[in-house]
Amino acid sequence: NAGVTQTPKFRVLKTGQSMTLLCAQDMNHEYMYWYRQDPGMGLRLIHYSVGEGTTAKGEVPDGYNVSRLKKQNFLLGLESAAPSQTSVYFCASSFVRTRNSYEQYFGPGTRLTVT
Amino acid sequence: AQKVTQAQTEISVVEKEDVTLDCVYETRDTTYYLFWYKQPPSGELVFLIRRNSFDEQNEISGRYSWNFQKSTSSFNFTITASQVVDSAVYFCALSESLSYNTDKLIFGTGTRLQVFP
Repeated sequence: NAGVTQTPKFRVLKTGQSMTLLCAQDMNHEYMYWYRQDPGMGLRLIHYSVGEGTTAKGEVPDGYNVSRLKKQNFLLGLESAAPSQTSVYFCASSFVRTRNSYEQYFGPGTRLTVT
Repeated sequence: AQKVTQAQTEISVVEKEDVTLDCVYETRDTTYYLFWYKQPPSGELVFLIRRNSFDEQNEISGRYSWNFQKSTSSFNFTITASQVVDSAVYFCALSESLSYNTDKLIFGTGTRLQVFP
């Protein structure tokens, strides 16, 4: 049981290049999320998905697209990278929230630098 | 708006000292969750605790304890007899409803704890 995995762990892009970050979970979770972490700002939600084939915008969606073609995978795309997208990206997943239980399980993070 | 405030940006202590990390939150939800995560230098997020808004019991887990007070909207975290391995950034987070049965997490800006030998 690997939990939540992210690929790649590190990446350096030049301005204008594109890339896709892959998140995979093997816990059969319905919900998946992408956050970004910037110095001094904590984590902020980019996009999320409540199920296969569905996605929705979070707090800071501009410049990113996402897809959830399979329940276990959640892809984050940068079509034209900008230096402002230099950040650490965390993927998370969760079951349906119940009255007594709710937790988001985080991946190890992807450190992206855009030059 | 939902908000989490961790006013302490950085705390330095010497090993074996007790240390309390403060967390104050604002929410309009009547039911919510509060969390603490640890981020060691390696960068991953380690889940420490979850607390439901309707359960105000304090909790102790080994050297860690949490004090949840709804009256002051605070969820403070105390490490007793700190150790060098406790050095990390600690985040407090609050759930905010996204839909009927899922939430996003609103994170504070984190408190960097440095424990010196």
